Amino acid sequence: EPEVTQTPSHQVTQMGQEVILRCVPISNHLYFYWYRQILGQKVEFLVSFYNNEISEKSEIFDDQFSVERPDGSNFTLKIRSTKLEDSAMYFCASSDRAGRHNEKLFFGSGTQLSVL
Amino acid sequence: AQKVTQAQTEISVVEKEDVTLDCVYETRDTTYYLFWYKQPPSGELVFLIRRNSFDEQNEISGRYSWNFQKSTSSFNFTITASQVVDSAVYFCALRSSGTYKYIFGTGTRLKVLA
Repeated sequence: EPEVTQTPSHQVTQMGQEVILRCVPISNHLYFYWYRQILGQKVEFLVSFYNNEISEKSEIFDDQFSVERPDGSNFTLKIRSTKLEDSAMYFCASSDRAGRHNEKLFFGSGTQLSVL
Repeated sequence: AQKVTQAQTEISVVEKEDVTLDCVYETRDTTYYLFWYKQPPSGELVFLIRRNSFDEQNEISGRYSWNFQKSTSSFNFTITASQVVDSAVYFCALRSSGTYKYIFGTGTRLKVLA
C-alpha cells in the first residue's frame, strides 16, 4: 500500500534555530496536512494545503511556521526560531479527496522534534 | 464548538476479552464525519474507519465493530476477542463539513495482556 514518508524520524535542534521537516505525500494525492502531537497529548491540526496554497490553518500556525511544496513530490514544514514548546511529534498527512464524504487521511510515521 | 471526548485514558484487558472504547463528540453541524485511528507503539497513525453523519449504520470489520448513535453523540469502538497486537493508543476524530481540520480526542491507551 502506498505510504506517506517523513524525514528525518528524529530531529534535535537548539532553541532559536530553524528546522525543516520533510514529507513525501502519496503520489496522486492533492491535499496535504501537518499535525502535531505533544508527548502524551492529543493530535492537533496545524495546517492544510491544496493547489499550492494554505487552505486552512489553526491558531497554532502563526508566523513562526510556514509550509511549502517546492517540487512535485515534497511537502515541507519550516519552523523558525524554535522554542522549547515546539518539541513534539509532527505528522504529515495526505488525501486524494479532502472534504468529501468518502475521504481518508493517510498519515506518515512522524518526525520527533526535540528542542533543547 | 467542536469537541471530541475520550473519557477512558487507559484500559487494560486480558487477551480474548472484549473491550469497548468510548467516544463522545460535540458539533453544531448537521453534516460531519467521524473517524477512528490506531497509534501502535511504532508511532504512526493508522486509519481504521470513517462514518458519515447521514449514515447511522453500524459496521463490523472482523473483530472490530463500531456503534454510531447520533442521539447520544457517540461513536464507540468495540474489539472482540482482543489480542496483544491490539495494544495501542486509539484516537477518535471529528471533521465537520466546510473545514479540512480533524479534531482529535485525547486517545485511549489499550493494553492487552497475554
